[in-house]
Amino acid sequence: SQQGEEDPQALSIQEGENATMNCSYKTSINNLQWYRQNSGRGLVHLILIRSNEREKHSGRLRVTLDTSKKSSSLLITASRAADTASYFCATELGGNKLTFGGGTRVLVKP
Amino acid sequence: GAGVSQSPRYKVAKRGQDVALRCDPISGHVSLFWYQQALGQGPEFLTYFQNEAQLDKSGLPSDRFFAERPEGSVSTLKIQRTQQEDSAVYLCASSSGQGARYTEAFFGQGTRLTVV
Repeated sequence: SQQGEEDPQALSIQEGENATMNCSYKTSINNLQWYRQNSGRGLVHLILIRSNEREKHSGRLRVTLDTSKKSSSLLITASRAADTASYFCATELGGNKLTFGGGTRVLVKP
Repeated sequence: GAGVSQSPRYKVAKRGQDVALRCDPISGHVSLFWYQQALGQGPEFLTYFQNEAQLDKSGLPSDRFFAERPEGSVSTLKIQRTQQEDSAVYLCASSSGQGARYTEAFFGQGTRLTVV
């Protein structure tokens, strides 16, 4: 079973545009993380946001967290072809493991 | 190497065959995780080690799955009597913290297992 669910499942945009994807989860969390996966590099950690944080930035990435709605969003600004990948949110409930969603497949067209 | 290393990268097994998948975590990382990722889906947790202790094996789908990390570094995931539903990518991750709390996990490239 998967705790987080990403929306949309797939996204196609032009290079230079922004990409936004959302993650909803079901139970209280300690933190939420976003990962990127492409065929060349495997799963790569992007950003971690703690349950007491509301927004976090890292380069062209912006993550928000709304614990009252049990949701998070990932915004990629000024997208590049190299951003083409699947993006997963993962929640940490307590202790030992990350629980991943099904992912959003992003295609950035040059 | 600097990252998490998994071997083999690809494995084709005949149904009923036993397989062993290896993970070399980042040196000094306390925590080690195994995940299973089916095609088109997110990774699903299998098991977690803190040093050599297997603290959580709640995600192992059956008693055909067994994992070990005897010296607190290299880990092996063994699948006995493989079945077609075992076909997936098996991902190993390590982190410097204890568990997944507040620390990022570094993932290997995975082993793609195909059972025919």
